[in-house]
Amino acid sequence: ETGVTQTPRHLVMGMTNKKSLKCEQHLGHNAMYWYKQSAKKPLELMFVYNFKEQTENNSVPSRFSPECPNSSHLFLHLHTLQPEDSALYLCASRPADSGNTIYFGEGSWLTVV
Amino acid sequence: EDKVVQSPLSLVVHEGDTVTLNCSYEVTNFRSLLWYKQEKKAPTFLFMLTSSGIEKKSGRLSSILDKKELFSILNITATQTGDSAVYLCAVNTNAGKSTFGDGTTLTVKP
Repeated sequence: ETGVTQTPRHLVMGMTNKKSLKCEQHLGHNAMYWYKQSAKKPLELMFVYNFKEQTENNSVPSRFSPECPNSSHLFLHLHTLQPEDSALYLCASRPADSGNTIYFGEGSWLTVV
Repeated sequence: EDKVVQSPLSLVVHEGDTVTLNCSYEVTNFRSLLWYKQEKKAPTFLFMLTSSGIEKKSGRLSSILDKKELFSILNITATQTGDSAVYLCAVNTNAGKSTFGDGTTLTVKP
């Protein structure tokens, strides 16, 4: 248990659906991240938030829309996804955007049909 | 409960030394074990291991998995200051779950 909680753990959605992934941490961390982990590319950084402000968008398609209402919560809104978007989506946090160890959630396994 | 334990938690060596990082795990329905090097924002993928006894090698780095004893090691030979980083071990299960260890912080001094 790392203190980073992701829901849902598994999600199956159609290409026309709208769904959201949720990440929550009460570790007092100020930096939160979304990563995509698939068989082809084991870990890809998607978005970085520092103190609720998005500081990095790693050329992610607009069908993925992040939201960070406060330092403890991070959402990834999903809309009109493609089957190739099926992957494990990992949320992570750390005290500040520095060299400290990053804490990962257990991931949300997404299948797009 | 799935568990991944890395050791040591931190390590300080001098350039040219060889280091061995350890990762042990207890998970249900093991699928693969991955090693990452974490610098700044995004961890860099190093190796994915799925079969026992087959060494994966990339330059001065190598890794091997023992599925019987449930552990993996990451070796770095002739260390350089640029190897200083946090090394993360993660285990994926067939259920689509990914569990990360706490990482080993490696500091390589000139």
